[in-house]
Amino acid sequence: QSALTQPASVSASPGQSITISCTGTSSDVGGYNYVSWYQQHPGKAPKLIIYDVVQWPSGVYNRFSGSKSGNTASLTISGLQAEDEADYYCASYTSSGTWVFGGGTKLTVL
Amino acid sequence: QVQLVESGGGVVQPERSLRLSCAASGFTFRSYAMHWVRQAPGKGLEWVALISFDGSNEYYADSVKGRFTISRDNFKNTLYLQMNSLRTGDTAVYYCARDVLTAGTRGFQHWGQGTLVTVSS
Repeated sequence: QSALTQPASVSASPGQSITISCTGTSSDVGGYNYVSWYQQHPGKAPKLIIYDVVQWPSGVYNRFSGSKSGNTASLTISGLQAEDEADYYCASYTSSGTWVFGGGTKLTVL
Repeated sequence: QVQLVESGGGVVQPERSLRLSCAASGFTFRSYAMHWVRQAPGKGLEWVALISFDGSNEYYADSVKGRFTISRDNFKNTLYLQMNSLRTGDTAVYYCARDVLTAGTRGFQHWGQGTLVTVSS
């Protein structure tokens, strides 16, 4: 159950777009379309922003979009806003019936 | 609205036990798989355990397998985590989370506020 690999940090200016990658293996990310993404602000519980690779839960703005190619999933945030500054985590279902998270990516809006 | 309220955290000595509870409301508890996820201070999220909607299947992270037990009471709308043989590395905020859909497991849509467990002598 090794953690999925995410970049430690990304940064961009308001209005720009960023993409965060999440790399796993054929036993998790590559094997299932059950990848989800979470936003966490300091001191708060995480919030689901994408599930099933590309699906939005109700109430989530479509500035967030997901994709997957092989063993790597990606989260793209377009039209960056100051409130998007947070930690972002990917998670994937695994062939063992368990779940595994990525190490997290800190997004800084310059 | 969906509410998940964890309780039972606190300070405990190594090798001792603790039981966390998560009271659920605002949805049909018996229809959803439930999870425990933890976050050590200043660290990332770590998935801990999953229990199916009817309690018939349980899955655990390798780091807690054999020491932690997840369970649920669908009459009391409550999720539990029994933690035995606690280690300093188990120190974390523990969140309960409801799955996304009623079919199978797809991720973690609703989260509680978390309860802090500190393992220290």
